[in-house]
Amino acid sequence: AQSVAQPEDQVNVAEGNPLTVKCTYSVSGNPYLFWYVQYPNRGLQFLLKYITGDNLVKGSYGFEAEFNKSQTSFHLKKPSALVSDSALYFCAVRHGGSTLGRLYFGRGTQLTVWP
Amino acid sequence: SQTIHQWPATLVQPVGSPLSLECTVEGTSNPNLYWYRQAAGRGLQLLFYSVGIGQISSEVPQNLSASRPQDRQFILSSKKLLLSDSGFYLCAWSVPGPGPQYFGPGTRLLVL
Repeated sequence: AQSVAQPEDQVNVAEGNPLTVKCTYSVSGNPYLFWYVQYPNRGLQFLLKYITGDNLVKGSYGFEAEFNKSQTSFHLKKPSALVSDSALYFCAVRHGGSTLGRLYFGRGTQLTVWP
Repeated sequence: SQTIHQWPATLVQPVGSPLSLECTVEGTSNPNLYWYRQAAGRGLQLLFYSVGIGQISSEVPQNLSASRPQDRQFILSSKKLLLSDSGFYLCAWSVPGPGPQYFGPGTRLLVL
């Protein structure tokens, strides 16, 4: 069975500091991993993905994520947080062998960046 | 480029009334289509998905149904709304392969 855990409901960081939003996953076979961001009353926006290749992937708005197979993790990172990064972040996983593309989402982490 | 539309943006309906939410995708052919509901507690629940016209799979048996009358049109319906149907409804699309799903702007439904 596929599943995603985001162990922190809330992450608070000061503007200019690095941020990390944690994600661990469970999937049979090779995982495809994704991060999304959601602003209030908006749809989810795709940030970045890991399919294969380099463990460090770069995405939109200066975000990056590191795939760690041994720890089954895919943490989202940004070197310097902005107040405008405050939003709800979702990690998602799918089974690499599936053509349907069904995603399994974590429950989300609310990121607050204070000035 | 591809775009996804949902309407209406906001809807307030009485208990027992019918529902029809529409989602359309532009700029791609034969997409996989998905309906999600996001409750106040923010988790995403997959309701239905479709891999082609007339092909609907239900993830959770409930008061809702879905239809795909055209390649890029996905409709979420109910004959009689319940209070528990309130929530934020999101439509998404993807192409077969390793890529992500792309989400629409959502419809906020309040059942009173």
